[in-house]
Amino acid sequence: QQKVQQSPESLIVPEGGMASLNCTSSDRNVDYFWWYRQHSGKSPKMLMSIFSNGEKEEGRFTVHLNKASLHTSLHIRDSQPSDSALYLCAASISNNRIFFGDGTQLVVKP
Amino acid sequence: EAAVTQSPRNKVAVTGGKVTLSCNQTNNHNNMYWYRQDTGHGLRLIHYSYGAGSTEKGDIPDGYKASRPSQENFSLILELATPSQTSVYFCASGTRANSDYTFGSGTRLLVI
Repeated sequence: QQKVQQSPESLIVPEGGMASLNCTSSDRNVDYFWWYRQHSGKSPKMLMSIFSNGEKEEGRFTVHLNKASLHTSLHIRDSQPSDSALYLCAASISNNRIFFGDGTQLVVKP
Repeated sequence: EAAVTQSPRNKVAVTGGKVTLSCNQTNNHNNMYWYRQDTGHGLRLIHYSYGAGSTEKGDIPDGYKASRPSQENFSLILELATPSQTSVYFCASGTRANSDYTFGSGTRLLVI
């Protein structure tokens, strides 16, 4: 059973719009989440990490975490065509193993 | 600048042959990881290491071996390559303590 589930599988938003991506873990031992962005043909690059309940904002990107439900979400406001990429959610437990979801493919249409 | 370097970038191998993928990091991280990524999918963990001399099995270790001879180097070995191992392989290093995981540029492996 996959430990990290992401939704939706794909998402199309207009330029300037808001993109909302979701991620949930099925492992109660997970206590750390990351969001990565991977442009086509490139390696994943970390966007943000979060381990405390609440919200974290960096520029146009906001991450929420609800530790009770093991749910995190990534919101991108004022989406740009350059934001088009595969967004990967990752989670880890205390033994430093990291589990990735299958990702959300985001397309921002001009 | 701290980095993770993989070699080769591209590799074509024949079925039944031996393939070695190499990874070098200058981050001085204890933990290193090998993942494979198939088209349109996320990353699946093959092997990982907590430090020199240690290797651990990930979620899909069958058909792969790993070697960590030093803090800086972590290799992935396919003793008998099969077409099902055609994929893109990523190496990463990191520590959870400072939330810093860095990926290499990847190796595209084609087994024919």
